Amino acid sequence: AQKITQTQPGMFVQEKEAVTLDCTYDTSDPSYGLFWYKQPSSGEMIFLIYQGSYDQQNATEGRYSLNFQKARKSANLVISASQLGDSAMYFCAMREGTLIGGGSNYKLTFGKGTLLTVNP
Amino acid sequence: EAGVTQFPSHSVIEKGQTVTLRCDPISGHDNLYWYRRVMGKEIKFLLHFVKESKQDESGMPNNRFLAERTGGTYSTLKVQPAELEDSGVYFCASSQDKLGRGVYEQYFGPGTRLTVT
Repeated sequence: AQKITQTQPGMFVQEKEAVTLDCTYDTSDPSYGLFWYKQPSSGEMIFLIYQGSYDQQNATEGRYSLNFQKARKSANLVISASQLGDSAMYFCAMREGTLIGGGSNYKLTFGKGTLLTVNP
Repeated sequence: EAGVTQFPSHSVIEKGQTVTLRCDPISGHDNLYWYRRVMGKEIKFLLHFVKESKQDESGMPNNRFLAERTGGTYSTLKVQPAELEDSGVYFCASSQDKLGRGVYEQYFGPGTRLTVT
């Protein structure tokens, strides 16, 4: 089963509007973290925002916010006031708390990504 | 502060040849990771170093892949001999617990695009 599912291969949004990129996850570990990364055409992966499974409030970082619905296992990224420079690939990723067999787990599991295009 | 750097940015080799990818993490970051994205697929974890020790190498596809991190600074990933299915983008990332709450956000390099012909 997919651990991270991003159902939108591509999304379009008008400049200055808000857009939501979907991400659902699957884990039985009570301790986990969710990350969003942006990959522009230049190729580098840019860390955007983090949400921990025990965090009481939704994470926000400037124009980025994470709509965390734990019971539904969703962690959607909301970008407000879209800019042309937001056009990029966006990846949702999860870090589960522990490795199978014990030990702290640091590896990220990624979704397939959503290609966001911001139109002028 | 310099980011994660990777060398080369592109590599084209023939099947059966050897290629070595290099990653320089952010200075002071003990954790170093290798990931790979094969065309059309998700980014997949390969392995994780803490300083010079391999913490988790559960994602290494087979024994043709050898990763090292001598001295706990830069890391190399060698593929020998390369096969066609090894083509993809190889990312390196590094992290440190800056937020002090076990987040360990990973900062990625620009990747090395490997093409095996």
